Amino acid sequence: GENVEQHPSTLSVQEGDSAVIKCTYSDSASNYFPWYKQELGKRPQLIIDIRSNVGEKKDQRIAVTLNKTAKHFSLHITETQPEDSAVYFCAATPNQAGTALIFGKGTTLSVSS
Amino acid sequence: EAGVVQSPRYKIIEKKQPVAFWCNPISGHNTLYWYLQNLGQGPELLIRYENEEAVDDSQLPKDRFSAERLKGVDSTLKIQPAELGDSAVYLCASSPTRAGELFFGEGSRLTVL
Repeated sequence: GENVEQHPSTLSVQEGDSAVIKCTYSDSASNYFPWYKQELGKRPQLIIDIRSNVGEKKDQRIAVTLNKTAKHFSLHITETQPEDSAVYFCAATPNQAGTALIFGKGTTLSVSS
Repeated sequence: EAGVVQSPRYKIIEKKQPVAFWCNPISGHNTLYWYLQNLGQGPELLIRYENEEAVDDSQLPKDRFSAERLKGVDSTLKIQPAELGDSAVYLCASSPTRAGELFFGEGSRLTVL
């Protein structure tokens, strides 16, 4: 089955800096890679996702890159703001019938002003 | 549009007692998931439903956990008897198809004393 590793587990940056979170996956059949943001005591919410036919996707200050050969994908947040502080989870799934999202263990991002 | 609704939000019980959690998915979402989230960890799949059919329950500890989704809409997750190690947040999620974005509820936080 799929296994997702996520690094780092904690990340502290100054406001305005960039933040990068990296994930690796084990199942070469995986083709859908979402990122979820979870604020303290709140539900996880999708912030961006990428499918295996695309190498990079950008949405304002957030971007995700995918390297299928190396089986890793990364979340990039530019110009970080205090409201970006949260736990970020990567996930992967072969996106086939009978498969659910497998999540990484999460990265706690702290943005200090 | 209402999101995924879960109840109760918080539950404190003594070990060996039973407990039940309820989930109402987003209208029209055929796929429903129960995830377990331990403190500082990513969500872990317990069971996935396609309409009323449990299509993936391989991670559900069937000796004490049970779930049902009668009529393919609402779902309940039951633990009987609860153990100390069951203390966690139980997240329900739904999606319109078997692949793609998951919409999470706020979760039910269980504390077993």
